[in-house]
Amino acid sequence: NAGVTQTPKFQVLKTGQSMTLQCAQDMNHEYMSWYRQDPGMGLRLIHYSVGAGITDQGEVPNGYNVSRSTTEDFPLRLLSAAPSQTSVYFCASSASGTNRAFFGQGTRLTVV
Amino acid sequence: KNEVEQSPQNLTAQEGEFITINCSYSVGISALHWLQQHPGGGIVSLFMLSSGKKKHGRLIATINIQEKHSSLHITASHPRDSAVYICAVPNTGNQFYFGTGTSLTVIP
Repeated sequence: NAGVTQTPKFQVLKTGQSMTLQCAQDMNHEYMSWYRQDPGMGLRLIHYSVGAGITDQGEVPNGYNVSRSTTEDFPLRLLSAAPSQTSVYFCASSASGTNRAFFGQGTRLTVV
Repeated sequence: KNEVEQSPQNLTAQEGEFITINCSYSVGISALHWLQQHPGGGIVSLFMLSSGKKKHGRLIATINIQEKHSSLHITASHPRDSAVYICAVPNTGNQFYFGTGTSLTVIP
C-alpha cells in the first residue's frame, strides 16, 4: 500500500521555467491538497480538491495551478517559477469525514 | 493570523528527560492532530484526538476542548525522537490549520 506518492523529491529550476509536481494516492480519498512549508511559517495551503473535477484555492494560490482529472492524481503546476517559490511542498489526502490526513514525502524545490 | 500556536519553537533536551510541547488554538474543531516530521523526511501522523488523552509507547497526547489546548508529552526521551512536531487543526473541507512546529533535539 503506497499511500501518498510525491515526485520528484528534489528539483532545481531556473527562474521562468515551468514544471509539474506529481501527487498520487491509492486510498481512494476524496480530499487532496497541496501545502508549502517555509521556515518559521508552518504549512500553508496552496490548492485543494474535494473530488475529481473540483478544485479550489487555498491561502497562497498565486503562481500555481492544479487539476483533478482522476481521484488518484492531483498535480501541482508552476507556470513560471520564481525564487519566492523555493520551498518544500507536501501533498496530502484524506477520506471524507475522517479528518485524518496522509502526507507525501515532500518535494524540495529550489528556484535560482 | 495564527489559528494554531505552538510552544516552544525550539527545544533541546538531554536523553531521558520528560518533554512537553504545547498547542493552543482559536478555531472550533472536531479533532486535533499531532504530526511528526523527521529531518529531510516526510510527515507522519502521531495522534488524532478529540477529547481526553491518548498514549502510544512513550508518547502521550492530551486535549482540553474547553481551554482549546493540547499537549504532547514524550517520556524517557531518546535521540531518535529528534524531529519537528506539528500541531494541526482541521477546518471545514478537510483542510488544516497548522502550527509552525516545535523543533526538538535530544542529546545523548
